[in-house]
Amino acid sequence: ILNVEQSPQSLHVQEGDSTNFTCSFPSSNFYALHWYRWETAKSPEALFVMTLNGDEKKKGRISATLNTKEGYSYLYIKGSQPEDSATYLCARGYGSSNTGKLIFGQGTTLQVKP
Amino acid sequence: DTAVSQTPKYLVTQMGNDKSIKCEQNLGHDTMYWYKQDSKKFLKIMFSYNNKELIINETVPNRFSPKSPDKAHLNLHINSLELGDSAVYFCASKDRDRQETQYFGPGTRLLVL
Repeated sequence: ILNVEQSPQSLHVQEGDSTNFTCSFPSSNFYALHWYRWETAKSPEALFVMTLNGDEKKKGRISATLNTKEGYSYLYIKGSQPEDSATYLCARGYGSSNTGKLIFGQGTTLQVKP
Repeated sequence: DTAVSQTPKYLVTQMGNDKSIKCEQNLGHDTMYWYKQDSKKFLKIMFSYNNKELIINETVPNRFSPKSPDKAHLNLHINSLELGDSAVYFCASKDRDRQETQYFGPGTRLLVL
């Protein structure tokens, strides 16, 4: 079953709090895990693509880790700001070399209160 | 310069009509996609084209027909629209390597009355 699950579904934090969310996915035939940030009324915007077990990526206050053997990835936001409010999507790549498609999780919606 | 653009942004139409949504990317990518954001907010893949050739066709009613006149364009034509087709449709593109990031368009909000 091609299932990508994210938790929690939504999260409310205060400005300055650090937070993290989880993406779980089937680990067989893995080749890539993507994280996207999706603001209301905009299009999803890529944050990270991770391919190797143990990968860690960082962009400013946002970082992500990957465990392909157990099938999970964590996204961390340090010192959340109101502008971090968005839905964070993860997506696992499936398929062979040029025909890869992404299966998305349902997202974690983060609300940061000033 | 918009990387992936879609027209129209909003589309309100009657049940039974036929409509098209257009997508263009100026990134020089080989692969383009159509996604549907369903009622539970999931983004689900519908179709993918690689250099004008259909490579992914998920379980989508055959009322939906993608057309790729060249590798920079992927249009979506929908025949005999039904109420359940109301959704937001996103176009995306990526370079040919399967690990590459997908770049999304702004979405087309379709409402079928």
